[in-house]
Amino acid sequence: EVQLLESGGGLAQPGGSLRLSCVATGFTFNIYAMSWVRQAPGKGLEWVSSISDDGASTYYADSVQGRFIISRDNSKNTLFLQMNSLRAEDTAVYYCAKARDSFFESYNDYWGQGTLVTVSS
Amino acid sequence: DIQMTQSPASLSASIGDRVTITCRASQVVGHYVAWYQHKPGIPPKLLIYGASILQVGVPSRFSGSRSGTDFNLTISSLQPEDGATYYCQKYNTAPLSFGGGTKAEIK
Repeated sequence: EVQLLESGGGLAQPGGSLRLSCVATGFTFNIYAMSWVRQAPGKGLEWVSSISDDGASTYYADSVQGRFIISRDNSKNTLFLQMNSLRAEDTAVYYCAKARDSFFESYNDYWGQGTLVTVSS
Repeated sequence: DIQMTQSPASLSASIGDRVTITCRASQVVGHYVAWYQHKPGIPPKLLIYGASILQVGVPSRFSGSRSGTDFNLTISSLQPEDGATYYCQKYNTAPLSFGGGTKAEIK
């Protein structure tokens, strides 16, 4: 059974940093691309970032480009999102999602439960 | 960037009704559109990919179609458990944009 378990959310101050993790089980992690998708309170889903299966290619939404860094450790079946220079508008539930393919241009067939990030002073 | 304009933003329908949600892409995206169902407190669930391919395990009352840059998600006979927000997503290239969502309410 595919499982994605996010952690690392919490309260951060504007300008601060947080690092999200997503541990994957139940599938061969290193042959699939992965993504982060977020949902701000009362808003819709927003794609944040994606990474290819080998970690060589990464992509970001304009809203987080230059502030967030996606990475993965295939030896530990773990996906990361380093979030820097946080803003109030980054407040959201962050979902880890598995892509159907090795390349990021793919739909997401499994999603984690999400972790809440709140940016506030 | 390609925009996905989803309509309606909300709908209210009765059990057994046929419901159609539309996404219009601002440029050609081929058949690279997926549809998801999202309920509060539950992760989004993949319903349709490749514009019209039903994900394994999804009830057959859900279907997807494409006409050029217009994409439809149809629920042929609305059920109580279909109360949710539905999103389209294009995935041909970055950014992997979502539509604004359609909140479906059961009367």
